[in-house]
Amino acid sequence: ETGVTQSPTHLIKTRGQQVTLRCSSQSGHNTVSWYQQALGQGPQFIFQYYREEENGRGNFPPRFSGLQFPNYSSELNVNALELDDSALYLCASSRGQNYGYTFGSGTRLTVV
Amino acid sequence: DAKTTQPNSMESNEEEPVHLPCNHSTISGTDYIHWYRQLPSQGPEYVIHGLTSNVNNRMASLAIAEDRKSSTLILHRATLRDAAVYYCIPGVGGAGGTSYGKLTFGQGTILTVHP
Repeated sequence: ETGVTQSPTHLIKTRGQQVTLRCSSQSGHNTVSWYQQALGQGPQFIFQYYREEENGRGNFPPRFSGLQFPNYSSELNVNALELDDSALYLCASSRGQNYGYTFGSGTRLTVV
Repeated sequence: DAKTTQPNSMESNEEEPVHLPCNHSTISGTDYIHWYRQLPSQGPEYVIHGLTSNVNNRMASLAIAEDRKSSTLILHRATLRDAAVYYCIPGVGGAGGTSYGKLTFGQGTILTVHP
C-alpha cells in the first residue's frame, strides 16, 4: 500500500491569490476528506467526496471547493486567500463507512 | 456532535502501560468511539474504534464503560514512538466515522513518553 500522498508539502501564497492542493488516495479507497489544522489545534473537517460527489461539508465558506477524480485522487481549491487560511491541510481517504481513515502528512500553506 | 473531555497532557515512562481517558457523556446510542493519534509533523493515524464491547488490536486496547459515557485507550507498553496527541472521537458508523465521514477532532491529550 502506498498510503496517502499530498503535494506540495509546503507552499507560500499572497493574500487574494488562489491555491490548489493535491491528494492521491490510498489504493482501493473511494472516499476522500479534507481537513484544515491551525497551529496547536485539532484538524477541522472541510468536506468529503465519495465517488466524485461531495457528500458532506463542514463550516467553511464556498471559496473552499474540491474535486474528486475517477481514479479517486482529489484537489482542494481555495480562492481569495486570507491570512487566516494559513494552516496545515490534510487529506484522508477511506475504503468506506466501516473503515478507518488514512491521512496524508499534509500541505503546509502560508499566506502572506 | 457528542462533546468530549480529555486531559490536556499525560506522561509515561517507556515500557510502562498508559491509560488515556475520555469522557463523552452526550454520546448517542449509535455512536462508535474512535481513537486517532497524531505524531509530530504527521497526519493523524487511526488507532482503534468500538461501540459497546472492549476491543483489542495490535496497537492498543479500548475499554468502554458500561454506560458508554467514558472510554479508556490502553497502550500496554509505551514506546518513544507512542509520543503523540491522542484524539477521542465519538461518531456514527464504523471505523471511518461520523455522519458523512466527518471526524470531529477536539484538543486531544498530549502524551509524553520518557526513556
